[in-house]
Amino acid sequence: GAVVSQHPSRVICKSGTSVKIECRSLDFQATTMFWYRQFPKKSLMLMATSNEGSKATYEQGVEKDKFLINHASLTLSTLTVTSAHPEDSSFYICSAPFAGDSYNEQFFGPGTRLTVL
Amino acid sequence: QKEVEQNSGPLSVPEGAIASLNCTYSDRGSQSFFWYRQYSGKSPELIMFIYSNGDKEDGRFTAQLNKASQYVSLLIRDSQPSDSATYLCAVNTGGYQKVTFGTGTKLQVIP
Repeated sequence: GAVVSQHPSRVICKSGTSVKIECRSLDFQATTMFWYRQFPKKSLMLMATSNEGSKATYEQGVEKDKFLINHASLTLSTLTVTSAHPEDSSFYICSAPFAGDSYNEQFFGPGTRLTVL
Repeated sequence: QKEVEQNSGPLSVPEGAIASLNCTYSDRGSQSFFWYRQYSGKSPELIMFIYSNGDKEDGRFTAQLNKASQYVSLLIRDSQPSDSATYLCAVNTGGYQKVTFGTGTKLQVIP
């Protein structure tokens, strides 16, 4: 199956700093990638849709100025959490659709655990 | 509002039994349905997807879809302790690539 990587896998930062998370599709091109956030014992919540060559589409309630998304190439999307605060601590997961057996099968990255002190 | 609902569990079954996981969705226009397994601290992995009404079998897993009732289920036969995880139901709602996840059902298979 298709492989999606994320970097870093874990990050701890001080309140007020910015953190960049990278999501890469390793063996396929992805014009669209999705960013999710998951709090402990909660489900995945879609934050935004990252579109190569155009602006990201944010879900209702997600601050676009706080969560900056850049889809720099067909294999790379980045999420930057700006001026992070403890309430931003969460598990951030990206996914990319791949046209395999199903036209919209999602392949997930391994996730990034963000802890803001 | 587009929603996907699951019983949060935990659902406890003895090893070797059949585990039945259920999911309902609100958007009648939904066309594709997915079951993901998520181990604690890990990202989800796809188990099965289904598009058509009826059953779809893959090894020990069977997905069942009833669009009239807006209901999709996952049966796990011969449950193993390694099946213990949270199972997420996902529904394709807005656009051909975007999915909405349910809250997940935690399954515990007791040896």
